[in-house]
Amino acid sequence: QVQLVQSGAEVKKPGASVKVSCKASGYTFTSYGISWVRQAPGQGLEWMGWISAYNGNTNYAQKLQGRVTMTTDTSTSTAYMELRSLRSDDTAVYYCARGPISILSQAWFDPWGQGTLVTVSS
Amino acid sequence: EIVLTQSPATLSLSPGERATLSCRASQSVSSYLAWYQQKPGQAPRLLIYDASNRATGIPARFSGSGSGTDFTLTISSLEPEDFAVYYCQQRSNWPPKYTFGQGTKLEIK
Repeated sequence: QVQLVQSGAEVKKPGASVKVSCKASGYTFTSYGISWVRQAPGQGLEWMGWISAYNGNTNYAQKLQGRVTMTTDTSTSTAYMELRSLRSDDTAVYYCARGPISILSQAWFDPWGQGTLVTVSS
Repeated sequence: EIVLTQSPATLSLSPGERATLSCRASQSVSSYLAWYQQKPGQAPRLLIYDASNRATGIPARFSGSGSGTDFTLTISSLEPEDFAVYYCQQRSNWPPKYTFGQGTKLEIK
C-alpha cells in the first residue's frame, strides 16, 4: 500500500537547522510530488511548500522563503525538508504528504506521513 | 493570499444526527477544494477532493458540495468515530499556493 514514513522526533536549539526525511513506498515516486505541512501545538495546519519528485521543481510558502529547502533522492524514494535559523515558534509536528507531479495538476494531498515532532528550545 | 474561513468553530451533535460544516473562500477557488479529518495524535486523512469527490475508502455518509467561494461538508448520520477536527484546503492557480481553513471541531453532545 502507499505509505510515507518520516524520521523521528528532533530537539534543536534556536538558530540551528533541522532536516526531516520522508520515505515513500508502494507507488512510483517520480510520478508525484511531496508537500510539507506543519502543525504547531494545538493549532491548525500550515502548508510549507511542495516539490516535484519528477523534476525537482519547488514552490515554497512566502513566509518561509529563504529558510526552507525541499529536496528529493529518487534513488531511495525519499523526500527531505530542511528548515534553518530555527525559532521557538517553529516548534510543531511536521508532515509530508503525497501531492501532484506538477503543482497545477492536482489540488489535494493523500496520503500523509505519520508526522515528526520538532521541538525548538534553549 | 486566499483565506478560508470555516464555520462553526465547534459543532456539538449526537451520534445519528446530520452534520453540516461550512468553508468559505475569500475569492473563487473554482472546485479546487479538499476536506480532511484529523483525530488526536493522528495525521490528517483526505475525505473529499475537488469539492465533491470522495477519496478511496471514505464512507458514503460523507459528501461534499459547492464551488467558487462556498463549500459544505455533510455527514449524513454521525458515527462515534466521526467526532474529530475537520479542515478544508484550497489551491490557488496563480500564484500556485495552498491554504487551510482554521478547522471545525466536531464534538459529541
